[in-house]
Amino acid sequence: EPEVTQTPSHQVTQMGQEVILRCVPISNHLYFYWYRQILGQKVEFLVSFYNNEISEKSEIFDDQFSVERPDGSNFTLKIRSTKLEDSAMYFCATQGGQNYGYTFGSGTRLTVV
Amino acid sequence: KQEVTQIPAALSVPEGENLVLNCSFTDSAIYNLQWFRQDPGKGLTSLLLIQSSQREQTSGRLNASLDKSSGRSTLYIAASQPGDSATYLCAVRVGTGRRALTFGSGTRLQVQP
Repeated sequence: EPEVTQTPSHQVTQMGQEVILRCVPISNHLYFYWYRQILGQKVEFLVSFYNNEISEKSEIFDDQFSVERPDGSNFTLKIRSTKLEDSAMYFCATQGGQNYGYTFGSGTRLTVV
Repeated sequence: KQEVTQIPAALSVPEGENLVLNCSFTDSAIYNLQWFRQDPGKGLTSLLLIQSSQREQTSGRLNASLDKSSGRSTLYIAASQPGDSATYLCAVRVGTGRRALTFGSGTRLQVQP
């Protein structure tokens, strides 16, 4: 069964550093998303991406966050200057079409120290 | 703003029991609803997707129902097994113009052998 692949599985970074989280979507999927889950809390929507641009973003997705699909395969989430409160599990998700469900990756656990 | 609530927060049952997990949402104008399974420290695995025009979906021992007008969905698990132990998440997509999922807090299920 096709999978969404995320790397790295775990990243530890110093506060103020930039991190890039990577996702390889399912090849024929059109819609891409990032979600996050702070330990013990709900899964929260960050951003959706379609046709090489952001189609929707949440209040969480402020100027320190950015997304891109640099080479037509990888889908990345960049956090410019990490804060302690950015520590969370970050999930990439993809969707084949309007009426399809989401497929989630296994996540990247980001720890900011 | 859409709010999703799941009851109970935790459930422990002996193996073989049939059980029902509940999900309620405040805005009935949803596009679809998806049930996920999450194992500790892992990603989200899609279980069932119900479109707004559907009343239920079945997959193996799982059956999910949707009552849009009352803002409720239930996930029925038949003949529970220890391998079913996980957190079950309900997520709703609000409308055609938006793709973000709003998640509930989940029901943590423990099936005792």
